[in-house]
Amino acid sequence: GAGVSQSPRYKVAKRGQDVALRCDPISGHVSLFWYQQALGQGPEFLTYFQNEAQLDKSGLPSDRFFAERPEGSVSTLKIQRTQQEDSAVYLCASSFRTSGAVQETQYFGPGTRLLVL
Amino acid sequence: RKEVEQDPGPFNVPEGATVAFNCTYSNSASQSFFWYRQDCRKEPKLLMSVYSSGNEDGRFTAQLNRASQYISLLIRDSKLSDSATYLCVVTLHTGKLIFGQGTTLQVKP
Repeated sequence: GAGVSQSPRYKVAKRGQDVALRCDPISGHVSLFWYQQALGQGPEFLTYFQNEAQLDKSGLPSDRFFAERPEGSVSTLKIQRTQQEDSAVYLCASSFRTSGAVQETQYFGPGTRLLVL
Repeated sequence: RKEVEQDPGPFNVPEGATVAFNCTYSNSASQSFFWYRQDCRKEPKLLMSVYSSGNEDGRFTAQLNRASQYISLLIRDSKLSDSATYLCVVTLHTGKLIFGQGTTLQVKP
């Protein structure tokens, strides 16, 4: 079956531009997570949705970062006025069960590699 | 201090060697524990879950010590295809994954 897909796979933006990154989770998956992975580091949590509700946005680094999942399926991560430090791989993951279930498996998309010049 | 700490390596080992990775986590409320594998420029993929009783999957053995807040991964009879970054991961009740920096393994012929 289809896995998690993300688009675009690569994005080059000029500093100050706004970008929008899309995530299509596995069909039927309730939970959706966004992570940011800087070069040479492990992924870091950004935000979490359960269906359309954004239950945790504690990892968003600034108010320039905004995420939504209006119909409980596709999600968009938007970064306004991009800065060079936003350059990273943005990973989306989805899981079937709601958060809190022990050892639920998160399936990752291929990521969007963002480079801000 | 990072919540999950790993030695970034790299670990360079010959084919057939046994190699062990360790990590420590700081939050005693951590609930679930995993090892993920990440190939270069690819997404992380679940390698195995980790239990206090220890668990084995072929050449891979994982162990959790809750008292010491320590997680290990042992790879026996290393293959060239085992070359990757191994990420130690814990979760809290919220379900979000907390990753270590990753340990790079390079298996050489």
